[in-house]
Amino acid sequence: SAVISQKPSRDICQRGTSLTIQCQVDSQVTMMFWYRQQPGQSLTLIATANQGSEATYESGFVIDKFPISRPNLTFSTLTVSNMSPEDSSIYLCSVQPISGTSGAPQYFGPGTRLLVL
Amino acid sequence: GDSVTQMEGPVTLSEEAFLTINCTYTATGYPSLFWYVQYPGEGLQLLLKATKADDKGSNKGFEATYRKETTSFHLEKGSVQVSDSAVYFCALSDSNSGYALNFGKGTSLLVTP
Repeated sequence: SAVISQKPSRDICQRGTSLTIQCQVDSQVTMMFWYRQQPGQSLTLIATANQGSEATYESGFVIDKFPISRPNLTFSTLTVSNMSPEDSSIYLCSVQPISGTSGAPQYFGPGTRLLVL
Repeated sequence: GDSVTQMEGPVTLSEEAFLTINCTYTATGYPSLFWYVQYPGEGLQLLLKATKADDKGSNKGFEATYRKETTSFHLEKGSVQVSDSAVYFCALSDSNSGYALNFGKGTSLLVTP
């Protein structure tokens, strides 16, 4: 397994501003993912962030809005840019300690609760 | 593309009742299947998994069997407890999705004393 921490745990932001969310893992992992969970909804994949390559974004998510950094095997950041109230969600990072295998489980951070006013 | 369909919630049961939460999937490849649980105010936790047809995943009294013929992975527990109250998510992963998880909408379970 892996222990994952996220900062901040929650924030209230004004529209038009940006927030950077940090994800720290206690071990080196290749595959890291960022998800969004809108209120009362399921989790939707934003992007896959593998170290050494550009992040891969899912349909409906773009780099200008959600830039991602992955400087090493234990850390990643997700920025929510030019925020609007529709961005109010829980943002979660997850890791797959055993890479490249569909059966390998993913472990999730505690999430960052974002409210945009 | 791949997708996961779960039964709609909320599900309300009395303590010691039998639980079934239905989950069916659509996938072009050979996915692995998972159940995750989100307790109130907590993060998402892996509950159980199965990686191939006829595999049975089990944990904490919960079970689910990977049924390829019916493309299903129903979650069951013989006797639920109040502490099982949570939201349960069925999910799949395969190489087509780059091993990211594709989640169902979640089923909220409330167990009353």
